[in-house]
Amino acid sequence: SSELTQDSAVSVALGQTVRITCQGDSLRSYYASWYQQKPGQAPLLVLYGKNDRPSGIPDRFSGSTSGNTASLTITGAQAEDEADYYCNSRDNSGDHYVFGTGTKVTVL
Amino acid sequence: QVQLVESGGGVVQPGGSLRLSCAASGFTFSGYAMHWVRQAPGKGLEWVTFISYDGTNKYYADSVKGRFTISRDNSKNALSLQMNSLRAEDTAVYYCAREDRVYYFDRSGYTFDYWGQGTLVTVSS
Repeated sequence: SSELTQDSAVSVALGQTVRITCQGDSLRSYYASWYQQKPGQAPLLVLYGKNDRPSGIPDRFSGSTSGNTASLTITGAQAEDEADYYCNSRDNSGDHYVFGTGTKVTVL
Repeated sequence: QVQLVESGGGVVQPGGSLRLSCAASGFTFSGYAMHWVRQAPGKGLEWVTFISYDGTNKYYADSVKGRFTISRDNSKNALSLQMNSLRAEDTAVYYCAREDRVYYFDRSGYTFDYWGQGTLVTVSS
């Protein structure tokens, strides 16, 4: 099955911009979704599809896809954005799904 | 509002069995595919299994195939996961999640738009 690779950790100064990437062959066929997870909580969908946000997700979260790489950008990071972020997509096989390795975002 | 509530977790010995349940409310359960996703302590998310809206299609991660069985009862808005031959590496928080799909001109997207709070399964002697 496919894999989705993410940087393990990134840091960003309060109010600055950070981009998280997710790389994998399945992203040439399917858009990624992005999830935010804070300690002790269930994952929360923050971005999906071409660049769509669920209701209630701030517009500082945006996304893009190019080739086999999907990106999640937080513009003007806030303290509450400190969390683990995971991408996921359907696998090229069509009968599996895959999550990225996860990126820990620290807001300084 | 959409709610997914898991139950059935606990401590089980290696080789044992456990059945997880997920009670759905706030949406038309029979119209959505559903998944189980797990997270081992201190680790990342791992997709476990999928069931189509009507139960006719089921997919499993290689790590659980032949040991786990997903099922659903649309009349009761209920999703289940029967876990047999449990191993220490199955220890994790298990989440049920609803699937939504979006279609664009160039590709489609599959997303887990709602999640339960999770139930902890510990496999230990």
